[in-house]
Amino acid sequence: AQSVAQPEDQVNVAEGNPLTVKCTYSVSGNPYLFWYVQYPNRGLQFLLKYITGDNLVKGSYGFEAEFNKSQTSFHLKKPSALVSDSALYFCAVRDDGGSQGNLIFGKGTKLSVKP
Amino acid sequence: ETGVTQSPTHLIKTRGQQVTLRCSSQSGHNTVSWYQQALGQGPQFIFQYYREEENGRGNFPPRFSGLQFPNYSSELNVNALELDDSALYLCASSPGQGQNSPLHFGNGTRLTVT
Repeated sequence: AQSVAQPEDQVNVAEGNPLTVKCTYSVSGNPYLFWYVQYPNRGLQFLLKYITGDNLVKGSYGFEAEFNKSQTSFHLKKPSALVSDSALYFCAVRDDGGSQGNLIFGKGTKLSVKP
Repeated sequence: ETGVTQSPTHLIKTRGQQVTLRCSSQSGHNTVSWYQQALGQGPQFIFQYYREEENGRGNFPPRFSGLQFPNYSSELNVNALELDDSALYLCASSPGQGQNSPLHFGNGTRLTVT
């Protein structure tokens, strides 16, 4: 069965410092991995995806994520956090046999960036 | 380019009632998916529609049903509402059936069942 784990409910970072939001996954086939961000009372916004190719993926708003097949991880990173990055972040996965709309989401990690 | 729009934004229903939620997909997108997001949880896949046919379903009972129309807009219907159905319902659209395409989400409908 497919699954996603986000081990941290909350991550606290000072503005200007680097941030990492962790994600590990389990799929039966090749993984398609995604990161989404959710602001209060809003839907999810797409940040970046890994399908194949380079293990370091660059996305929107200066975010990037590193795919590690041996550790089955896809951690979200940003070199310098902004207060406006404070939001709820979701990692999601589907395998290459799944339907396009069927994403498995983690429980989310609340990112809090303090000035 | 018009994004995904959902209506209504908020809804309060009583246990046992029926509800219909609506979604207009992003321009050029012919695939629509629905998700349920309970408080403090990640979204859970309900089902997907492509070319007016359901072609994928998550672990939800048959009282959750849907429709997709020729213009690719969609409805989610929930019968015999239960208290646990209280959640944010998210609609997402994507172009075609390619695995590479990310989902584009609407802002959701907040359903409260009392």
